[in-house]
Amino acid sequence: GDSVTQMEGPVTLSEEAFLTINCTYTATGYPSLFWYVQYPGEGLQLLLKATKADDKGSNKGFEATYRKETTSFHLEKGSVQVSDSAVYFCALDSNYQLIWGAGTKLIIKP
Amino acid sequence: DTAVSQTPKYLVTQMGNDKSIKCEQNLGHDTMYWYKQDSKKFLKIMFSYNNKELIINETVPNRFSPKSPDKAHLNLHINSLELGDSAVYFCASSRADTDTQYFGPGTRLTVL
Repeated sequence: GDSVTQMEGPVTLSEEAFLTINCTYTATGYPSLFWYVQYPGEGLQLLLKATKADDKGSNKGFEATYRKETTSFHLEKGSVQVSDSAVYFCALDSNYQLIWGAGTKLIIKP
Repeated sequence: DTAVSQTPKYLVTQMGNDKSIKCEQNLGHDTMYWYKQDSKKFLKIMFSYNNKELIINETVPNRFSPKSPDKAHLNLHINSLELGDSAVYFCASSRADTDTQYFGPGTRLTVL
């Protein structure tokens, strides 16, 4: 069945560092891909999405490109802030059911 | 103007009790969901429901049951609570014809 694998956390970075959180998937067809973010004590929020190959989703300085050839959707940000500390979830849409990665906790130190 | 709301935010109860968590969405969405998030932040879909179909994750014990009085509400009822039910439960909703889900703030359930 469809699945999502993302890098284990926690990922700890200093403020202004470059961020990459890896996400790869297995799926039949060409599903939509998502990144959700969960800030401490809150529910999940959609961060960005891409619906077809080579699409780039972007929001709040974060970007991810739908790479069909490598079945990947890595999350990147050029300069992280302390306020980016959260848990990040990669997901894919499989017949309107989201298949979730295990989440990656990101800790940004000042 | 909260989009997806849940009550209560915290729920502490004894083993063996029956409890309910309420969820309401004012987005006009057709499909609602319940998720369980464990202490390691792993998310597990429990149910998805629209006015036509209930899809149950087969690994969910039948002590858990969703109840939908109308399209805007999907409540979660749990019978005979067990220690392992302690988790954060999230409600979410989406339009039937799109795939973006909108989440509630979560209910932290603690079973003693």
